[in-house]
Amino acid sequence: DGGITQSPKYLFRKEGQNVTLSCEQNLNHDAMYWYRQDPGQGLRLIYYSQIVNDFQKGDIAEGYSVSREKKESFPLTVTSAQKNPTAFYLCASSMVGGYNEQFFGPGTRLTVL
Amino acid sequence: QQQVKQSPQSLIVQKGGISIINCAYENTAFDYFPWYQQFPGKGPALLIAIRPDVSEKKEGRFTISFNKSAKQFSLHIMDSQPGDSATYFCAASTTTDSWGKFQFGAGTQVVVTP
Repeated sequence: DGGITQSPKYLFRKEGQNVTLSCEQNLNHDAMYWYRQDPGQGLRLIYYSQIVNDFQKGDIAEGYSVSREKKESFPLTVTSAQKNPTAFYLCASSMVGGYNEQFFGPGTRLTVL
Repeated sequence: QQQVKQSPQSLIVQKGGISIINCAYENTAFDYFPWYQQFPGKGPALLIAIRPDVSEKKEGRFTISFNKSAKQFSLHIMDSQPGDSATYFCAASTTTDSWGKFQFGAGTQVVVTP
């Protein structure tokens, strides 16, 4: 089955810790995205990438970092600099350019204790 | 500043009724308008999408109406069913922008009562 997997489904973090959220896709998509979802605020773009070893900051990149060492993988690290990291994190992928649907993973819910 | 404004924030409709969700945008470069459906604890999934060269697109019970001059588009869910209870997001993008970034609305939580 083609799709996007995210792990873990639930993640708990102590204040001051960095945590990494995994995102893998087998759709052969070039573009990958990370979104943060908070109640009443929709989906806000954190980082996006169109090609291996290249990525761009989205609207709310502060306190986050990413890497794109493989086409199918786009992990997100939530650093201790992120002031309010508790949220639902969604990874997506798509073909590049044109009228291309973004396919979403099932999400990771991060809670800071 | 949200580039796509979505309303209402939530709505309750009886089974068999019509659900209407509205979105407005300012950027005239937007030329692709998808709607996503999200169930609790899941990722969003594409429901239906429209390009500005048509004023309406229908897929089953779901219809998008598009008004280019008013820079508005809306989702109509006809004969609403309890299984339609979900959060709906509108989005917009500029397809000539190779990055293909979407701007999402804030979402509308729809509850369909039996």
